Amino acid sequence: NAGVTQTPKFQVLKTGQSMTLQCAQDMNHNSMYWYRQDPGMGLRLIYYSASEGTTDKGEVPNGYNVSRLNKREFSLRLESAAPSQTSVYFCASTMGGWNTEAFFGQGTRLTVV
Amino acid sequence: TQLLEQSPQFLSIQEGENLTVYCNSSSVFSSLQWYRQEPGEGPVLLVTVVTGGEVKKLKRLTFQFGDARKDSSLHITAAQPGDTGLYLCAGSLGYHTGGFKTIFGAGTRLFVKA
Repeated sequence: NAGVTQTPKFQVLKTGQSMTLQCAQDMNHNSMYWYRQDPGMGLRLIYYSASEGTTDKGEVPNGYNVSRLNKREFSLRLESAAPSQTSVYFCASTMGGWNTEAFFGQGTRLTVV
Repeated sequence: TQLLEQSPQFLSIQEGENLTVYCNSSSVFSSLQWYRQEPGEGPVLLVTVVTGGEVKKLKRLTFQFGDARKDSSLHITAAQPGDTGLYLCAGSLGYHTGGFKTIFGAGTRLFVKA
């Protein structure tokens, strides 16, 4: 019962470097999401994919890009990392439509120096 | 801007005490979820409430959805150290174009001392 799997778990980047965070779910969910979590600010939506083949911006999309590779996989790319992107990143999935019950991965703790 | 405010932000209590956490908004939600998050882990769903005035119980946890579906509370009876964690509420709003948007509160960090 893997659920939502994220890699890597930890990452340190230098300012200006790029990287891709990977996410896969095995629950046949339609919708997938990327959030960032910062102290005192809760979870903020970066991008989401309501269904395979579609992606949309969330609340804080600047500096990020996403790819919904197939129904299972949704990746998040930082093209040129900045210290402001230091955060914990969570991938989540839901069945979609009216069902918004989310299943989360374990998170990626990213530090940009 | 749609906001979901949680209170208190932090709570430290002794084992055996009761507590209530609140989640408030000016928006009307289609549904509301409560999650618990432990250090180094992602949030885990506890419950979903859908109907105004709905009450759901999960062992020592009681969840209530406000009559107007704008607020919710989580009450824990006889708290235990295993209840320690970050409690997040999340409200779902319908888009005018269809589909749903979920917003999260900042969370209540609970610490239960043995």
